[in-house]
Amino acid sequence: DSGVTQTPKHLITATGQRVTLRCSPRSGDLSVYWYQQSLDQGLQFLIQYYNGEERAKGNILERFSAQQFPDLHSELNLSSLELGDSALYFCASSVGGTGGAVETQYFGPGTRLLVL
Amino acid sequence: AQKITQTQPGMFVQEKEAVTLDCTYDTSDPSYGLFWYKQPSSGEMIFLIYQGSYDQQNATEGRYSLNFQKARKSANLVISASQLGDSAMYFCAMRDSTGFQKLVFGTGTRLLVSP
Repeated sequence: DSGVTQTPKHLITATGQRVTLRCSPRSGDLSVYWYQQSLDQGLQFLIQYYNGEERAKGNILERFSAQQFPDLHSELNLSSLELGDSALYFCASSVGGTGGAVETQYFGPGTRLLVL
Repeated sequence: AQKITQTQPGMFVQEKEAVTLDCTYDTSDPSYGLFWYKQPSSGEMIFLIYQGSYDQQNATEGRYSLNFQKARKSANLVISASQLGDSAMYFCAMRDSTGFQKLVFGTGTRLLVSP
């Protein structure tokens, strides 16, 4: 158990809908990262938040947004869903995330999203 | 831009034998970190081992060791005494050189351990 929690584990929804994925980082970690794992794109970084502020952005679609709350949990919002958004969405956390030193990211169990 | 290459889509190994999973990387950043993660069929991503570019010695964690050859830009994962529970996808990853912590992943290698 990495200490990172994600809910829900599975989500089935229809095209055009909006969903929210939730993540709680390990105790003491200030950074939260979101990754998408799909069959055609592999594992891709979406976005990072550090202590409530957006820190880095990757291949995140405009239909997707995220935020990190004062208690450090994070939510990833996916709207106007398309079939191609079906994927496994991971949240990861690390202690810091803003300095030069490389940090290990610990991943949550993921949320498996299926868009029908 | 960084790139991680895992050329072995699948590997087979017998229980109790050692296996090496290949990973090569490309970066112009002198300071970088390399990671290996394991993804069982249940889907979670499990951190296995880390190697920093300035580390003098190869990283080891229990049955996992990293064969780090900087000049060749390779960071192969060695699993000793394979167990049935080692059957999983294995991903090599590198920290991005932009200074942020985001990880760039390879395509993975599926390892099957047979009795």
